[in-house]
Amino acid sequence: KAGVTQTPRYLIKTRGQQVTLSCSPISGHRSVSWYQQTPGQGLQFLFEYFSETQRNKGNFPGRFSGRQFSNSRSEMNVSTLELGDSALYLCASSLRLAVNTGELFFGEGSRLTVL
Amino acid sequence: QQQVKQSPQSLIVQKGGISIINCAYENTAFDYFPWYQQFPGKGPALLIAIRPDVSEKKEGRFTISFNKSAKQFSLHIMDSQPGDSATYFCAAKTQGGSEKLVFGKGTKLTVNP
Repeated sequence: KAGVTQTPRYLIKTRGQQVTLSCSPISGHRSVSWYQQTPGQGLQFLFEYFSETQRNKGNFPGRFSGRQFSNSRSEMNVSTLELGDSALYLCASSLRLAVNTGELFFGEGSRLTVL
Repeated sequence: QQQVKQSPQSLIVQKGGISIINCAYENTAFDYFPWYQQFPGKGPALLIAIRPDVSEKKEGRFTISFNKSAKQFSLHIMDSQPGDSATYFCAAKTQGGSEKLVFGKGTKLTVNP
């Protein structure tokens, strides 16, 4: 069974640009969550989608947005990139609402570098 | 803001020794406490988890101890092996309207052969 797939794995952008990251969850999983991982702040919750609806949102500015498609695949977008957005962006999927069990299955992440 | 504080930041243990990682939380509205293991270049993977109505859970060499009154929980790795070298994250799930996982900042464990 394929795991959570994230694309692209690495990308470099410049300040002011925008970026879109993609996540394909494990087959059958309908919940997708996004986390930002940095050395200083660790893993921080961005948002969670279930059945194409945003169910939870973390404390990030509106430049961070996401969506989920009918096949459960999800994308997140960051607009007007800042240097501080450089991070590993992790997607996690779950069979049901992720936080009901804490059993998240993470992808390997998309490493974003903003120059 | 809901927080989970994790210590130590880094830990070096000899092969066969016991690794202990501690976490403390402030918010009593947490109702599930998982631990994740992350190897370099990989995403975190669920290692073991506990609910607050249980004081201890053991799975192989890994044990979670939970002290509800002190709002603390810890991970013990018995007979630590070089293959256990990774970063470990504790986490807590919030209940209520805005459910999400709140992670500690991680502990980098190195097990020397």
